Amino acid sequence: GAGVSQSPRYKVAKRGQDVALRCDPISGHVSLFWYQQALGQGPEFLTYFQNEAQLDKSGLPSDRFFAERPEGSVSTLKIQRTQQEDSAVYLCASSFQGRHSPLHFGNGTRLTVT
Amino acid sequence: AQKVTQAQTEISVVEKEDVTLDCVYETRDTTYYLFWYKQPPSGELVFLIRRNSFDEQNEISGRYSWNFQKSTSSFNFTITASQVVDSAVYFCALSEAPDAGGTSYGKLTFGQGTILTVHP
Repeated sequence: GAGVSQSPRYKVAKRGQDVALRCDPISGHVSLFWYQQALGQGPEFLTYFQNEAQLDKSGLPSDRFFAERPEGSVSTLKIQRTQQEDSAVYLCASSFQGRHSPLHFGNGTRLTVT
Repeated sequence: AQKVTQAQTEISVVEKEDVTLDCVYETRDTTYYLFWYKQPPSGELVFLIRRNSFDEQNEISGRYSWNFQKSTSSFNFTITASQVVDSAVYFCALSEAPDAGGTSYGKLTFGQGTILTVHP
């Protein structure tokens, strides 16, 4: 597709369940980012991949959060033992490697933990 | 630490009015980049503009214009003759400079956003 694709669009999980969120970046984009956006707030950085290498995971809020991009294209954000405070929109973005590439964002996955 | 402040939580205007969205930032970097993104109800963030810290020229793109003032650490966004389709949440963001290898930058620090509603 032409843009960044995220699935599912909506996810409802019971507290304690594990969830996996998928991101298909724009073809050829080297860099991939995950952001978390709480209701009424700006997005906050979670983690960054350059190809398959996770170069920055400083924004992951706890060890329950795990991200991977094994072949340098599709990425999965996994949240184990979900808690209510994990409820948010999770945004994926990709860009070309280079000094002048803006981020292209997907529509996000809205996670609700009940 | 970097910080972006958008003091206006919500703005409501009538179509054809001009509206300015304020953005103030804090950073210790001498080289940095500033952005504006638009988030319509569909949820995706749409890139509007990027400026680097060495380029203080104001920019105009159609009905949009941006005023970057390094002296006041501000990067304000004006929409002239607003339209209903401009209704969205607008985010100002700041990023670290690219590393020496020139890899693309990310890790944007966003403001809290300004909800703009344009009434017909």
